[in-house]
This record gives sequence, structure tokens and C-alpha cells, in this order.
Amino acid sequence: NAGVTQTPKFRILKIGQSMTLQCTQDMNHNYMYWYRQDPGMGLKLIYYSVGAGITDKGEVPNGYNVSRSTTEDFPLRLELAAPSQTSVYFCASRPGLAGAETQYFGPGTRLLVL
Amino acid sequence: RKEVEQDPGPFNVPEGATVAFNCTYSNSASQSFFWYRQDCRKEPKLLMSVYSSGNEDGRFTAQLNRASQYISLLIRDSKLSDSATYLCVAYIGYSTLTFGKGTMLLVSP
Repeated sequence: NAGVTQTPKFRILKIGQSMTLQCTQDMNHNYMYWYRQDPGMGLKLIYYSVGAGITDKGEVPNGYNVSRSTTEDFPLRLELAAPSQTSVYFCASRPGLAGAETQYFGPGTRLLVL
Repeated sequence: RKEVEQDPGPFNVPEGATVAFNCTYSNSASQSFFWYRQDCRKEPKLLMSVYSSGNEDGRFTAQLNRASQYISLLIRDSKLSDSATYLCVAYIGYSTLTFGKGTMLLVSP
């Protein structure tokens, strides 16, 4: 199992550009999450999904969009990049079973918006 | 008030020392708790779950005090490789985890 994979590892964007951060998991987990982590700060939840076709907003959804067409993939879309979106983005997944709240994280995508 | 609060540190300790971190949570409905470890520029990884009865995994001991709403992590015989940021995490329900900002530990030779 590769676990949770994210691409790209690093990206520089210009203000106003758009991009999609890819996230894939091969553990057949129902629940998937997108977080951002700013320097010295904790993880903030952007969006999450409890299954294919179902997504919900987290704490900081503005400026982002997601989709969940398959169990494996949960891409995060930035439509109009802003400097405030400079951050490290982590994708995570978990089975969704009761008592199994542990989340497994991907290696992250470092995004710099200039 | 933050839902999960931690002292950011850093905690500077010599090798072999014992160090303890505390974490408080504000939502009494929190159902379960975890400690994650995050190395510099890496993703968080589960260190251990925290049970009401307390649990131990090698040099690591986690305790939960529901009455006072705090969680602790004790590391004995610190190793250089223990240097990392330790994240306190609460599961409050609604499918999501709430992360503290983390406590940085630096173990020196």
C-alpha cells in the first residue's frame, strides 16, 4: 500500500492563477480530509468528505473547492490564488468506522503564492 | 477559547531526561484523544491513542483526565530522535479531529 499520496510536492503560483492539488489513497478509506498548516500554527480543516459524492466545509473553506467522484481521489482546487493561500497542504484519510478515528496523512504539498 | 490548547515550547531537554507535555480541551463532549508526532517539514503521524485508564507504549505514557479536561504525554529516557513537534488531538464528533498547535521538543546530546 502506498497509503496517501499527494502531488505536486511543491508549487509556486502567481496571484490569480489556479491549480489542483491531487490526493489519492489506496486503503479504501471512506473519509478524506484537506488541511492547511501555516508556519507555527496548527492544522486547519479546509474540506472533508465522508464518501464518494459527499463533501462538506471545514473551518477555512473560502477560496477552495473540492470534489469526490471516487473513493480513492479527493482533489483540492484553488481558483484564484492569493498570497494568503501560501501554506503547506495535507490530505488525510481514515476508514470511517466507529472507534477508528485515526487519520493517515499524505506527505504534503508546499504552495507559495507570489 | 481554543478547543485544544498546548504550550508551544520549545522544551529543551538533555538526552536521557524525562519530559511531560500537557494539553487542555474545552469541549467536554470530546470522545477520544490522540497524540501525533510531526517532524520538521513532514506530515503528522499517530504516536498513540489516549485512553481513560492511561496507556503506555515503551518510553511513552499518555494519560487522560476527563474531570479536569486535560491530556498528558510523558516521555522517559529522551532520545535525540524524539526531537519533534507533538500534536494533541481531540475527536469531538462530526467526523473531524481538532488539532492543537503542537509542542516542540528539542533533545540535545
